[in-house]
Amino acid sequence: GAGVSQSPSNKVTEKGKDVELRCDPISGHTALYWYRQSLGQGLEFLIYFQGNSAPDKSGLPSDRFSAERTGGSVSTLTIQRTQQEDSAVYLCASSAFPLQVADTQYFGPGTRLTVL
Amino acid sequence: DAKTTQPNSMESNEEEPVHLPCNHSTISGTDYIHWYRQLPSQGPEYVIHGLTSNVNNRMASLAIAEDRKSSTLILHRATLRDAAVYYCILKTQGGSEKLVFGKGTKLTVNP
Repeated sequence: GAGVSQSPSNKVTEKGKDVELRCDPISGHTALYWYRQSLGQGLEFLIYFQGNSAPDKSGLPSDRFSAERTGGSVSTLTIQRTQQEDSAVYLCASSAFPLQVADTQYFGPGTRLTVL
Repeated sequence: DAKTTQPNSMESNEEEPVHLPCNHSTISGTDYIHWYRQLPSQGPEYVIHGLTSNVNNRMASLAIAEDRKSSTLILHRATLRDAAVYYCILKTQGGSEKLVFGKGTKLTVNP
C-alpha cells in the first residue's frame, strides 16, 4: 500500500517568509509525528498527534512553529518568519498502535527546507 | 528514556556478516530495544525490536545480552544496499510514544 508522503520534497525560501510543509500519513494510522534532521542536531522530535487527543508539542523549538492535523489524517507543519537555523530535513512519520511499546513508525521521505 | 551508546562508524565487506553493537547499561525492565536504519536521502525505516529473547526477521537478527545491558544487530550478509545509519532506540512500556534518536552507527559496505 501507499506509504507516508510529504510535499514538497524541496523548499527554498527567504529568511522571514512563512512556509507550510504537508504530510499524508498511511491510511488508518491514528498517530502522526513530525521530526527534523539538521546537520548539527541529528534527528529530533517536534510534535505528535494521536487521534482526538491534544497534541504533544513538547519538541517544537519556538512559537514560530505550529502544526495541525485535519480530520485525523493530513497534517501541515507551519514555520513562520523562517530563520536560517530552520534549514533542515523535516520528516513525518505515522503509526497504527502508538500506545503499544512494540509499535512501528513509518517515515516519509522528508521535505528539505533551505532558508536563504 | 534510557540512553544508548553506539560506535560512530563501522565498515564491512559485501556478503560478510555485520555485527552492530549497542550499549544500554541503564535499561529498565520495561524497555524494548528498537532498531531503525536510515538509508542515504531517505527517512528512517524500522528494522527489528525485542525485549529479552533474540529475534529474527527477514532483514536482520537481534541478539540481546542476558543482562540486557547491551544488544547486537546482526546483518547476516551485508549488501551495498545495507549502507546506512543504524539507530538503537529504547522505548518504555507506558512511556513516550516518540522516538529518541542518538547519533547512530554509520555503516559503510565495501564491494
